[in-house]
Amino acid sequence: KQEVTQIPAALSVPEGENLVLNCSFTDSAIYNLQWFRQDPGKGLTSLLLIQSSQREQTSGRLNASLDKSSGRSTLYIAASQPGDSATYLCAVTKDSNYQLIWGAGTKLIIKP
Amino acid sequence: EAQVTQNPRYLITVTGKKLTVTCSQNMNHEYMSWYRQDPGLGLRQIYYSMNVEVTDKGDVPEGYKVSRKEKRNFPLILESPSPNQTSLYFCASRLRQSYNSPLHFGNGTRLTVT
Repeated sequence: KQEVTQIPAALSVPEGENLVLNCSFTDSAIYNLQWFRQDPGKGLTSLLLIQSSQREQTSGRLNASLDKSSGRSTLYIAASQPGDSATYLCAVTKDSNYQLIWGAGTKLIIKP
Repeated sequence: EAQVTQNPRYLITVTGKKLTVTCSQNMNHEYMSWYRQDPGLGLRQIYYSMNVEVTDKGDVPEGYKVSRKEKRNFPLILESPSPNQTSLYFCASRLRQSYNSPLHFGNGTRLTVT
């Protein structure tokens, strides 16, 4: 059974630091992995989607990597800003019915 | 603007009083889904729909019903709500043709059942 784990559950860093969020999954047979951002009182926003054949995706200050063989993905945030404060979730697409398996998320706080 | 719209945003009701949470998307997406989010349990899928008139159970379907009579709408129905259905609910949609298309979420409905 596929399980997705995100460690740490919470992270607080000073503004300007580069940081890495981790996501691990137990079954390497995935179609893709997505990173989402969730702001309080709002829905989830898709940040990056890495297909199973890809190693990384970049969008602005965000870079996500995927290592299927080790069951790991990282989300790298460069030059963090207070506006990056949010909960970040990862999810893997497990089958052709597009069902997602979700991590519990990492709550990120960027201190000014 | 491409979006998924849920209503209402907040809902307080009493045990046993039927309610419907509406979800509508304007992106012509085939796939739609309902999730609930609870502290410590993360996001869990309730029901999903691959297209009009096609619905399937997710991980936690008990106590919920859905329908997909039109492509744009996917309402969530609680026939007899109970306090354990107090939660934050999200509707989401994506293109069916590619599982590499991202999932789009509504802003959520916070439901309290007393």
